[in-house]
Amino acid sequence: DTGVSQDPRHKITKRGQNVTFRCDPISEHNRLYWYRQTLGQGPEFLTYFQNEAQLEKSRLLSDRFSAERPKGSFSTLEIQRTEQGDSAMYLCASSPRGGPNNEQFFGPGTRLTVL
Amino acid sequence: AQKITQTQPGMFVQEKEAVTLDCTYDTSDQSYGLFWYKQPSSGEMIFLIYQGSYDEQNATEGRYSLNFQKARKSANLVISASQLGDSAMYFCAMREGRGYSTLTFGKGTMLLVSP
Repeated sequence: DTGVSQDPRHKITKRGQNVTFRCDPISEHNRLYWYRQTLGQGPEFLTYFQNEAQLEKSRLLSDRFSAERPKGSFSTLEIQRTEQGDSAMYLCASSPRGGPNNEQFFGPGTRLTVL
Repeated sequence: AQKITQTQPGMFVQEKEAVTLDCTYDTSDQSYGLFWYKQPSSGEMIFLIYQGSYDEQNATEGRYSLNFQKARKSANLVISASQLGDSAMYFCAMREGRGYSTLTFGKGTMLLVSP
């Protein structure tokens, strides 16, 4: 399977704990995006990487959130001191540079439940 | 103002019939792209179709077509000959500007196809 992969698929944690999610984009894609999707809503942009550089961050990305893409390949999204409001689906997407329409290919998501 | 508006929370259609899912958008950019994604219950976002703002013809991809009315700022998705497997959430999204850009999604429409 050469699509975008995310791990874990599901995460249940207690309020106050830290969690980390991983995203492996399609291998030749240099652009990587993180989105958050809450129940009944469409995905909302969190952050964007081009290679290893984090070029854009949403206001949704509070100080408790940090994302990295150290070698321009996989990315991690960490949430510190989780809150119940962090419960959501976290989606990762990737796209190639110079694609005809900049289509983003999405992974299956990580569903986070904060108790 | 909402950048992407999907006014139909849910739609019902019988198998083999056509269905139109509405999407209106708001942007001041001259260059933009419009996307439709399908999200089955498994959670993965599946790309369906793309329309660029400068494309003169409506986009088509198999049973999917996009009814693009630029002056009305609408980009409705038409699914012909619905199938049971089409039952899912459908999201309209917009990319503003050229090159890379994040996607802004609508709230989605739940489509249920009955036998």
